[in-house]
Amino acid sequence: DTGVSQDPRHKITKRGQNVTFRCDPISEHNRLYWYRQTLGQGPEFLTYFQNEAQLEKSRLLSDRFSAERPKGSFSTLEIQRTEQGDSAMYLCASSLVGPRTDTQYFGPGTRLTVL
Amino acid sequence: AQSVTQLDSHVSVSEGTPVLLRCNYSSSYSPSLFWYVQHPNKGLQLLLKYTSAATLVKGINGFEAEFKKSETSFHLTKPSAHMSDAAEYFCVVSDRAGANNLFFGTGTRLTVIP
Repeated sequence: DTGVSQDPRHKITKRGQNVTFRCDPISEHNRLYWYRQTLGQGPEFLTYFQNEAQLEKSRLLSDRFSAERPKGSFSTLEIQRTEQGDSAMYLCASSLVGPRTDTQYFGPGTRLTVL
Repeated sequence: AQSVTQLDSHVSVSEGTPVLLRCNYSSSYSPSLFWYVQHPNKGLQLLLKYTSAATLVKGINGFEAEFKKSETSFHLTKPSAHMSDAAEYFCVVSDRAGANNLFFGTGTRLTVIP
């Protein structure tokens, strides 16, 4: 399978703990995006990278959230001191930027439950 | 600012009958518009996209959508529903032609009755 992969698929944690999620994009894609989807809502943009540079962050991304893409390949999203309100599906997407190749392809997501 | 409004949170159709999922958009730019489908426990899958070429866009699985600038609409249709079409459908607008960020609607859940 050469699509976007995310790990883990499910994470249950206690309030106050730190969690880290990983996303592996489609190999030739230079852009990588993170979204959050809460129950009954559409995904909301969090941040994106072009290669290893983080170019934009949403106001949803509080200082407890940090994302990295150190070598321009896989990315990690870390949430520190988790809160119950962080419970959501975290989605990763990737795209190849070009004149006709701006489509974002999504991974299966990581479902986070904060107890 | 970019946003989409999906006019129905839930649509129910009988198998073999037409499907219509409605979407209106708001965009400060010439928008790129998309429809994505989300099956339970599966990732979002692109159905089709509009990027200022033909206003009638054909997608996968027999779906199509028509971009109507005068009505700021991008409704999704299919002539004949199949049981496997039951899923959540999202209308999406991008903030720039390069689709840097996607703005999703709240989704329409399609139920197909046998």
